[in-house]
Amino acid sequence: NAGVTQTPKFQVLKTGQSMTLQCAQDMNHEYMSWYRQDPGMGLRLIHYSVGAGITDQGEVPNGYNVSRSTTEDFPLRLLSAAPSQTSVYFCASSYSFPQGTVGSPLHFGNGTRLTVT
Amino acid sequence: GNSVTQMEGPVTLSEEAFLTINCTYTATGYPSLFWYVQYPGEGLQLLLKATKADDKGSNKGFEATYRKETTSFHLEKGSVQVSDSAVYFCALSGDNFNKFYFGSGTKLNVKP
Repeated sequence: NAGVTQTPKFQVLKTGQSMTLQCAQDMNHEYMSWYRQDPGMGLRLIHYSVGAGITDQGEVPNGYNVSRSTTEDFPLRLLSAAPSQTSVYFCASSYSFPQGTVGSPLHFGNGTRLTVT
Repeated sequence: GNSVTQMEGPVTLSEEAFLTINCTYTATGYPSLFWYVQYPGEGLQLLLKATKADDKGSNKGFEATYRKETTSFHLEKGSVQVSDSAVYFCALSGDNFNKFYFGSGTKLNVKP
């Protein structure tokens, strides 16, 4: 099993450009999420989804859009990149109620390192 | 609300030394507690977990006990190896068990 697959691994953008970070999982997880990781700040939740057609905002949603048309895919869109969005982005998935149980862990992709100049 | 606090790093140890990384939490209800490990250039991997008070999670020589009375979930290993060098994250999931809260991470450096 591939698990959670993120592409690309690295990306450099100029301020104002747009791009989409791809995330796919093959574990039939209902729950998918996007985090950003910045030095000294741990992981911060950007957006999440509990199933196809359902998305919601996390802690730091501004500047990002998501959609969930299939169970497998959860792309993250940057509409107009800013230097403050320079970060490492992680996609993570998990079972959701009632598939999962208390203690169901998150499964992470290997991340996308984004630099905005 | 829910939150996780873990000790700041980096923590530098010699090989075969004893490791403790402190983690305390604030939560409503009965959270599940997790330790994740991140090796350079990779995503986070689940290291161990505990889902109720007094449970002990263990994996690869690492252990952590869910202490409700002290709201703690400290990570321990009796003898660290160079290959344990990584960043360790403490996390909890609350009553809405998909919502995870992460600590800021502790970097461990193990020297030969």
